[in-house]
Amino acid sequence: GAGVSQSPSNKVTEKGKDVELRCDPISGHTALYWYRQSLGQGLEFLIYFQGNSAPDKSGLPSDRFSAERTGGSVSTLTIQRTQQEDSAVYLCASTSGNSGNTIYFGEGSWLTVV
Amino acid sequence: AQSVTQLGSHVSVSEGALVLLRCNYSSSVPPYLFWYVQYPNQGLQLLLKYTSAATLVKGINGFEAEFKKSETSFHLTKPSAHMSDAAEYFCAVSDKTSYDKVIFGPGTSLSVIP
Repeated sequence: GAGVSQSPSNKVTEKGKDVELRCDPISGHTALYWYRQSLGQGLEFLIYFQGNSAPDKSGLPSDRFSAERTGGSVSTLTIQRTQQEDSAVYLCASTSGNSGNTIYFGEGSWLTVV
Repeated sequence: AQSVTQLGSHVSVSEGALVLLRCNYSSSVPPYLFWYVQYPNQGLQLLLKYTSAATLVKGINGFEAEFKKSETSFHLTKPSAHMSDAAEYFCAVSDKTSYDKVIFGPGTSLSVIP
C-alpha cells in the first residue's frame, strides 16, 4: 500500500482480555518496528523485525507481549491478559532496511484497557 | 548502547521568534540522526535526517539541524516560529554498527504563542 496501515485504529478492551494489533507495512519494506507511546511519553521501542525474524525483542515489556511477522509483510502484536498500564498508542513503522533510511510510521492503534 | 536526550519536555516561543530544540545523543560511533514531528492527532513524519554527508541539514517547513560531533548534539532550529509549528518533536538515533534500530528521545512539546 501507499503507507503503513494499522488496525484497529481504536480498541477498548476489558482488563484480562487478549488483544491483537495488526500492521501492514509499505510494500517492499523489509524492516518493521513496533513502538509504544503512552500519554505524555516518548516512543518506547518494543520489537524489530528484519524479514520474518525478530533479532531484537528487547523492548517487549513482559511475556504477555508477543509479535510475529509472516511473509515478510504483515505483523501482529498480541497482548495477553491486558492490564490498565497497557493503555497506550501502539505505533508500527517500516523501512527498506538500509541503515539510515527514513522509517515511515502508521497512524497507530489506540488501546484503552478498562 | 545508543541513547537520546532532549533537554526540555516543553518549550514555548512567541510567533516569529527563534525555535531551538535540543538533542544530545550517546553512541559508540557517529550515528545517523533524525528529527520527527508529530502534529496533534496525527502520525509521526520525518523533518530531517543526518547520514554523514553535510553536517548542516535542512528539512521541511524551514527547519534545520546541525550535527556537532564534538558536542554529540543535533539541535533543531527554525529562525521564525509559526503557529502551525506547534507539535511534539522527537529526536532519534540509529547506530550504524548494528541493524537499523532507531531509538527515540522523550520528545519536546513546542507551543507557539501569538
